[in-house]
Amino acid sequence: EAGVTQFPSHSVIEKGQTVTLRCDPISGHDNLYWYRRVMGKEIKFLLHFVKESKQDESGMPNNRFLAERTGGTYSTLKVQPAELEDSGVYFCASSQEIAGGYEQYFGPGTRLTVT
Amino acid sequence: QKEVEQNSGPLSVPEGAIASLNCTYSDRGSQSFFWYRQYSGKSPELIMSIYSNGDKEDGRFTAQLNKASQYVSLLIRDSQPSDSATYLCAVNPVTYKYIFGTGTRLKVLA
Repeated sequence: EAGVTQFPSHSVIEKGQTVTLRCDPISGHDNLYWYRRVMGKEIKFLLHFVKESKQDESGMPNNRFLAERTGGTYSTLKVQPAELEDSGVYFCASSQEIAGGYEQYFGPGTRLTVT
Repeated sequence: QKEVEQNSGPLSVPEGAIASLNCTYSDRGSQSFFWYRQYSGKSPELIMSIYSNGDKEDGRFTAQLNKASQYVSLLIRDSQPSDSATYLCAVNPVTYKYIFGTGTRLKVLA
């Protein structure tokens, strides 16, 4: 079974440019999450989809970030315009509900560098 | 106070010893607890989940949960150099999202 995949693995852009990150969850997982880790800090939650619906976007930093999950399959996270503080590693995770919990499986991450 | 606290380490243990990793959390309503292992530049890999007080064993790994003390730990028996990694504690409050600690770097010395 394929795991969570993310593209690209690394992106370097200039401040003010736009970047779109993509995540393909594990097949059959309805829940999809985006997280971000900035240097020296813990991994922080950004948002959660159930199928194509946003369930919780409380962690999104501001309106420069837009996440979509059309058709309930893959998801994209767009940053427009990018700022220096957006640099970090963006992780995607997916889960399906199991009794008592939601074990999340993480992708390899996209390292975003804004210069 | 951070929501999930871990000692950043590094924690150095000799090969074959028991490594003990600790995590405390602040939300008393938290329901689910997870340990992830992350090698440098790789994705966090789920190694243990625990939902009720007590111990849960899986191979060389044992997770321990004490909700009254708001404390969860991970024991790695017979530590191997390949266990050298950063171990992340994640706590799941009543919502779906995980709250992570900053991770503990473990070094197993051959």
